[in-house]
Amino acid sequence: AQRVTQPEKLLSVFKGAPVELKCNYSYSGSPELFWYVQYSRQRLQLLLRHISRESIKGFTADLNKGETSFHLKKPFAQEEDSAMYYCALRGSGGFKTIFGAGTRLFVKA
Amino acid sequence: DGGITQSPKYLFRKEGQNVTLSCEQNLNHDAMYWYRQDPGQGLRLIYYSQIVNDFQKGDIAEGYSVSREKKESFPLTVTSAQKNPTAFYLCASSFSGNTEAFFGQGTRLTVV
Repeated sequence: AQRVTQPEKLLSVFKGAPVELKCNYSYSGSPELFWYVQYSRQRLQLLLRHISRESIKGFTADLNKGETSFHLKKPFAQEEDSAMYYCALRGSGGFKTIFGAGTRLFVKA
Repeated sequence: DGGITQSPKYLFRKEGQNVTLSCEQNLNHDAMYWYRQDPGQGLRLIYYSQIVNDFQKGDIAEGYSVSREKKESFPLTVTSAQKNPTAFYLCASSFSGNTEAFFGQGTRLTVV
């Protein structure tokens, strides 16, 4: 069965500290992995996807098929990074996208 | 102004009544989705549609129904059979293939 697990409901860090939001998945095949972000009073929007291997707003995420993980990382957190982050999975060639429970990141000044 | 629009933003209904949530997009997207967002549970997929006149059940389809008569529209009906309908509902759309989903602002449904 497809499953996305985000073990942390809340993550609080100081400005300038490194941050890592964990995401583990379960899927029998080659999945497409995404990170979505929801800032306060804004729509849920794509942050990055593993296939593009890009860095957005200083965030990166590497797909580790051995550990079935797709953790989101940023070396120096900023206050404007405070938001709700969702890890999502889509089966290759499919449309069904499932989401994790989300992690709320709070960056303190 | 392109985008995906959900209406209304807030909806109140009495228990036992059916209610329909609207979702419209002018992005020419093939696929559309409905998710339910509850605190601590993330987004759970209700229904999705890859093409006009076709749709598939998601993980929590019981008590819900949809239609896809037009490419631009994907309304969701919350029926009286849904045991716990009070929630925040999100609609999304995307092109086919490995592309991002674009989300609406959501509809908060409260059943009293």
